[in-house]
Amino acid sequence: GAVVSQHPSRVICKSGTSVKIECRSLDFQATTMFWYRQFPKQSLMLMATSNEGSKATYEQGVEKDKFLINHASLTLSTLTVTSAHPEDSSFYICSAVPGSTSNEQFFGPGTRLTVL
Amino acid sequence: GENVEQHPSTLSVQEGDSAVIKCTYSDSASNYFPWYKQELGKRPQLIIDIRSNVGEKKDQRIAVTLNKTAKHFSLHITETQPEDSAVYFCAASKGGNKLVFGAGTILRVKS
Repeated sequence: GAVVSQHPSRVICKSGTSVKIECRSLDFQATTMFWYRQFPKQSLMLMATSNEGSKATYEQGVEKDKFLINHASLTLSTLTVTSAHPEDSSFYICSAVPGSTSNEQFFGPGTRLTVL
Repeated sequence: GENVEQHPSTLSVQEGDSAVIKCTYSDSASNYFPWYKQELGKRPQLIIDIRSNVGEKKDQRIAVTLNKTAKHFSLHITETQPEDSAVYFCAASKGGNKLVFGAGTILRVKS
């Protein structure tokens, strides 16, 4: 149980375009999902906390107008990288928490974004 | 906010030896400390976690110890195997599930 999927797994886009990444909890409902960014040989950095039915909470330094997050249902959160630039190239990983009493986060497989 | 420091950044051990990775945290309100193993290009996998009401937890070859007073926790892997080679991350959380990760340790097990 507790499977999280992400789509797409890899995406290559031109500079200036927008890219949408989907995160789904397949066998549980997640009121909270998290979006992380991981640059090569670095740690996971939390970008934002996505709550179903409300606005996302962004970490300091993360531009909310550039990284649009929509938590449309209890099983789906989307991250849209708007007007992508080469410096946005990274590994984006989501995680989901099954229920309000659990601490454990279940991670998606990640999305490798390359902006040309 | 919370700050998690992790050491060493790289660790090479001989197969069969033990490996120890240490983390310190800054926020005394943190109460959940998971450890993740991440292979190249893959998702982080939870290998063990500990809550602040426990001092030690063990699962086969893996153990975690927590010292709340000193605000540090450690991962111990015994009888290391080549398949243990990966990047290991510690993290801390104080509720709300928000995790702050350490910088990671590259573990290489030489056979």
